[in-house]
Amino acid sequence: DTGVSQDPRHKITKRGQNVTFRCDPISEHNRLYWYRQTLGQGPEFLTYFQNEAQLEKSRLLSDRFSAERPKGSFSTLEIQRTEQGDSAMYLCASSSLGGRNYNEQFFGPGTRLTVL
Amino acid sequence: GNSVTQMEGPVTLSEEAFLTINCTYTATGYPSLFWYVQYPGEGLQLLLKATKADDKGSNKGFEATYRKETTSFHLEKGSVQVSDSAVYFCALSQVDSWGKFQFGAGTQVVVTP
Repeated sequence: DTGVSQDPRHKITKRGQNVTFRCDPISEHNRLYWYRQTLGQGPEFLTYFQNEAQLEKSRLLSDRFSAERPKGSFSTLEIQRTEQGDSAMYLCASSSLGGRNYNEQFFGPGTRLTVL
Repeated sequence: GNSVTQMEGPVTLSEEAFLTINCTYTATGYPSLFWYVQYPGEGLQLLLKATKADDKGSNKGFEATYRKETTSFHLEKGSVQVSDSAVYFCALSQVDSWGKFQFGAGTQVVVTP
């Protein structure tokens, strides 16, 4: 396991369609985060999982967004009825609760979403 | 709430010039501070970090010192290379907020030969 992976890397969809992204964290990491990054901005926090429990959701995460982390391994982020304003890079990051690097987050390459 | 403010870019430098990117923060308590770098077409990579006041993080010739009195974490490098061209993000996290990051807007650095 060499890092955090995300799939797909790019997604183009039409307004109103549903999309789902997947994140596979570093295997021993029990913390998983989703962020959204728009052009020229830093990543903004969306939601956080500790193992399988979703412990925090940002106000940025409208009712059209849902995230899961079944069994505390991979995570999915679904956007229903996409809007053009959802176009962004969606980043996943993971970290461990303990150890030398406990407060460092390791980021995946991101999924770039374009809503037409 | 927490916030991070970085100097705006782009910052354009000649090779071997001195680089400083200013970062200031607002937070309660004692956050951990980070610099991440994003090279063109790549994901965010941790560059360095500091977890308490007066700590100095360093990596690849870059340094930043956690200054609680000025709530700053400025990034410096004495002699930049073309390969340092990237976007640099300052970030903070706090133990009592699940370790989630608050990022600055990023500063693009362009180094010319």
